[in-house]
Amino acid sequence: NAGVMQNPRHLVRRRGQEARLRCSPMKGHSHVYWYRQLPEEGLKFMVYLQKENIIDESGMPKERFSAEFPKEGPSILRIQQVVRGDSAAYFCASSLSGPLGNQPQHFGDGTRLSIL
Amino acid sequence: ILNVEQSPQSLHVQEGDSTNFTCSFPSSNFYALHWYRWETAKSPEALFVMTLNGDEKKKGRISATLNTKEGYSYLYIKGSQPEDSATYLCASPPHTGKLIFGQGTTLQVKP
Repeated sequence: NAGVMQNPRHLVRRRGQEARLRCSPMKGHSHVYWYRQLPEEGLKFMVYLQKENIIDESGMPKERFSAEFPKEGPSILRIQQVVRGDSAAYFCASSLSGPLGNQPQHFGDGTRLSIL
Repeated sequence: ILNVEQSPQSLHVQEGDSTNFTCSFPSSNFYALHWYRWETAKSPEALFVMTLNGDEKKKGRISATLNTKEGYSYLYIKGSQPEDSATYLCASPPHTGKLIFGQGTTLQVKP
């Protein structure tokens, strides 16, 4: 499968634990985006990364959330000390190029995060 | 803040009907307009990316038009089929590649 791969598909955490969500972009894509869908809401941008660089993190909550896209390996979205309000579907997307926004983004199947 | 608005929020049509929905976006600092189809339990799938005023794109029975001067795009589906049932999202990127999505139009096609 050459598409965007996200894992795990479902993740359950207790309040205060850490959640790590992984995303492997499509082959040849070096631009990765994370979006969040809260219950009953639309898709909201969180962060845009290129290899080893954060390009735009204007949608990331100021605390507890971080993202990286290392030179080797998948992109990771990390949520520390999770709270109930973090329960959502987190989608990763990748594209061939980024800054002009004129390339389609290819989405993974998402990670459904549930906080007990 | 970039606001992307879609209407209607939901639509029910009979199989064979043709339908269309609207996406409106700020016309200043326009870069591109994206349309995605999102079926339940699947991931959003790119339909079109349009960049030029007057652009028209077509994929099978689905087509889209773009007016960047007045800030709107239409998505048309000709002869709707039950498999067209999905949420259709439009999105516009501001100065970086991130997408600002509208709330979507949910289409139900009854056989």
